[in-house]
Amino acid sequence: NAGVTQTPKFRVLKTGQSMTLLCAQDMNHEYMYWYRQDPGMGLRLIHYSVGEGTTAKGEVPDGYNVSRLKKQNFLLGLESAAPSQTSVYFCASSPLGGSINIQYFGAGTRLSVL
Amino acid sequence: AQKITQTQPGMFVQEKEAVTLDCTYDTSDPSYGLFWYKQPSSGEMIFLIYQGSYDQQNATEGRYSLNFQKARKSANLVISASQLGDSAMYFCAMREGGRNQGGKLIFGQGTELSVKP
Repeated sequence: NAGVTQTPKFRVLKTGQSMTLLCAQDMNHEYMYWYRQDPGMGLRLIHYSVGEGTTAKGEVPDGYNVSRLKKQNFLLGLESAAPSQTSVYFCASSPLGGSINIQYFGAGTRLSVL
Repeated sequence: AQKITQTQPGMFVQEKEAVTLDCTYDTSDPSYGLFWYKQPSSGEMIFLIYQGSYDQQNATEGRYSLNFQKARKSANLVISASQLGDSAMYFCAMREGGRNQGGKLIFGQGTELSVKP
């Protein structure tokens, strides 16, 4: 089972360049999330989506945009990359309903902005 | 404001011994969920165990158990019979609000566990 797939796995950008990170899940989950992880810190929520066509801001949304045009995909965009956005980015998904709503994570994307 | 605190940046444990990783939380919401994730050196996030705020019993999953003390707002992870493969970063996380509010997680800073042979 693929689960949550993130592409690319690694990327190096120059300051001011743009890029899109793709997250795809094959578990028919309603909820999807983008987090970033910086050295020595836990994950912080950037944006999330509670269903196709919906997005909402998380804890650290500045400098990022997202889109959820299809239920299975959640895109994270950086319009003008900055060195402060050097981080490891994780996508996650979870189902609607049930009592637990475990989030299942992708393998991460390591982004360096020079 | 909701907050998760893990006060142990690093822990060592001898193989086959038990170890407790500390987690305290702060929330005013009566309905919440607490999660533990493992992050090995390869980087992926692996779900270990969950405890709901209304659960009467402490959660257990194989060698993992969660020592839930609601009044003290603590949710410590206990790993019994440690194995070399348990060496990893461990994160405690709390779900904000109910599941219908998006299931967002707040993470602690993590504890790096090293298992010695």
